[in-house]
Amino acid sequence: NAGVMQNPRHLVRRRGQEARLRCSPVKGHSHVYWYRQLPEEGLKFMVYLQKENIIDESGMPKERFSAEFPKEGPSILRIQQVVRGDSAAYFCASSLTTLSRTNTGELFFGEGSRLTVL
Amino acid sequence: KNEVEQSPQNLTAQEGEFITINCSYSVGISALHWLQQHPGGGIVSLFMLSSGKKKHGRLIATINIQEKHSSLHITASHPRDSAVYICALHSGGSNYKLTFGKGTLLTVNP
Repeated sequence: NAGVMQNPRHLVRRRGQEARLRCSPVKGHSHVYWYRQLPEEGLKFMVYLQKENIIDESGMPKERFSAEFPKEGPSILRIQQVVRGDSAAYFCASSLTTLSRTNTGELFFGEGSRLTVL
Repeated sequence: KNEVEQSPQNLTAQEGEFITINCSYSVGISALHWLQQHPGGGIVSLFMLSSGKKKHGRLIATINIQEKHSSLHITASHPRDSAVYICALHSGGSNYKLTFGKGTLLTVNP
């Protein structure tokens, strides 16, 4: 019973290139969350997706960043025209049910994808 | 002021010692997570609690909703417990937007 799988684990990009980070949630989970951990900082929420829908992207920068969770396949976090400030660890988490005020279901995290922008 | 504060920031202990890591917060919450992150590694959810106390092996987590405070205790600490321990809140506004503490770096020496 595989947990949350993220790949690549490490990604190096030059400024201006594109980065694509993939997340396969726990089997059967349809709620995916992306978080970013900048060096020397705590984790911060980026985006919450359900299958084929973006529920909340308020934590994601308005430009260059996008996320999707298609009907088939993993969730993708895409960063276009990367800059040095995008260097961070990007974590994906999934849950079986939505994490609501009345239903704080268990959350499973992946190992993270560490992006380095040269 | 941060919504969630952890103390201490860094903690060094000798193997076998009893460890306490604290988390104080300033907002109403529905639940609180304790997470473990090994250097360069992934994140593991240790506990999710909304009241009282939970125990798993040598780990114990407590929460006092009235005092807005939670503690993570490790009994008979071991070098493999060395990691960053992170407190994360499910707070009232956007329930799925976890608010994370900056973490406590624990080093247990043999």
